[in-house]
Amino acid sequence: QVQLVQSGSELKKPGTSVKVSCKASGYSFNSNGITWVRQAPGKGLEWMGWIDTATGKTYYAVNVQDRLTLTRDTSATTAYMELRSLMSDDTGVYFCARDGWNTVAPYWFDSWGQGTLVTVSS
Amino acid sequence: DIVMTQSPASLAVSLGERATINCKSSLSVLYTSNNKNYLAWYQQKAGQPPKLLIYWASTRESGVPDRFSGSGSGTDFTLTISSLQAEDVAVYYCQQYYTTPLTFGPGTKVDIK
Repeated sequence: QVQLVQSGSELKKPGTSVKVSCKASGYSFNSNGITWVRQAPGKGLEWMGWIDTATGKTYYAVNVQDRLTLTRDTSATTAYMELRSLMSDDTGVYFCARDGWNTVAPYWFDSWGQGTLVTVSS
Repeated sequence: DIVMTQSPASLAVSLGERATINCKSSLSVLYTSNNKNYLAWYQQKAGQPPKLLIYWASTRESGVPDRFSGSGSGTDFTLTISSLQAEDVAVYYCQQYYTTPLTFGPGTKVDIK
């Protein structure tokens, strides 16, 4: 079955960076893009960006595009999200999710990782 | 950016009764070339990741109970739970994938009355 397993919780200081991994299994990794969504405590869902796992092409949300890098390692079937220059507002749960549609742009998301809590605090 | 709004922000429904959640997009998410609405619905229970319920505005994801249904077109959409069960207590989000940035509605919290 499709499974996305994310790396563990992180505690970071303001101004530093965090890199979260998302290990995929149970399907052909190159066939479906991976999106990253975050959720601040008690808040709604915010789309951050998407990576085409076959080509490495990315789309980023404007509000994080200068600080966000999405990558993937196809041999390891793992996607990565790196966010730099962390601020307290970046505190929240970060999810990776698999595209439910095999195409060259993000659509809906049919499988989700368990989430990674990133806490930014001095 | 396409702004998604949802109403109500929360609702409480008796077990077995109908729950209706509305979602509105600031621009049409109907792609006329294929006549498809680029809208999905998710359910998120406390402490869990979201779960896909509906895509293409009305196509139920495999394994989702048929008490969940989606309808609407253009800018106005509805998620209906025909007979609310205890396990349906959750926050429900709509999401457009018509264009990037993808955007979610603010969520609707559903509780038992």
